[in-house]
Amino acid sequence: QVQLVESGGGVVQPGRPLRLSCTASGFTFGSHGMHWVRQTPGKGLEWVAHIWHDGSKQSYADSVKGRFTISRDNSKNTLYVQMNSLRGEDTAFYYCARQANVGTMGYIDLWGRGTLVTVSS
Amino acid sequence: SYVLTQPPSVSVAPGQTATMTCGGDNLSIKTVHWYHQKPGQAPALVIHDNTKRPSGIPERFSVSRSGNTATLSISRVEAGDEADFYCQIWGGGVDRPVFGGGTKLTVL
Repeated sequence: QVQLVESGGGVVQPGRPLRLSCTASGFTFGSHGMHWVRQTPGKGLEWVAHIWHDGSKQSYADSVKGRFTISRDNSKNTLYVQMNSLRGEDTAFYYCARQANVGTMGYIDLWGRGTLVTVSS
Repeated sequence: SYVLTQPPSVSVAPGQTATMTCGGDNLSIKTVHWYHQKPGQAPALVIHDNTKRPSGIPERFSVSRSGNTATLSISRVEAGDEADFYCQIWGGGVDRPVFGGGTKLTVL
């Protein structure tokens, strides 16, 4: 079954770190770039970070640059995001998402169900 | 940073055609993708590479372009089409994925 399953969400105090994981199954994980996309409850989608299929390059939204680190372990079919110095505005559902590897490849063709991160004291 | 503009909401009666726009600077030369997100669910792809429908998306979903505006149309709207719809681009001078603010489709 082709799917992405996020884990690691929860309630965390401001300034504290949290690491999210995303386990992929049903497809060749190492053939796809991967994204993290977040969504504040009731709001729109915000792209957070992207990593190339082989992990050789990463890019970040300005809102998280310097605080978040995206990484992957292709041997474990797992994507990560290490989130440091968390702020209230980081409260959101975090989705793991697969970059398409056909066509222009500029789109997401598979989404996880998301994990909720709440930053609160 | 690049901005994609979508109307906040669109309402349509069942059986009618819903249209929702996505606008941006020089959008005519960029590739646009669309997602829908039904209540309580993750987003899902409905159109990629301007006009292509993934398997499972009915022909009722189509996209047209005019100038710097892309328009997603849903013909013969059903109650089950209610969702938030987002347009997205990446590339064509935009170095990171950008989402529009989303349009909430309400079926009356």
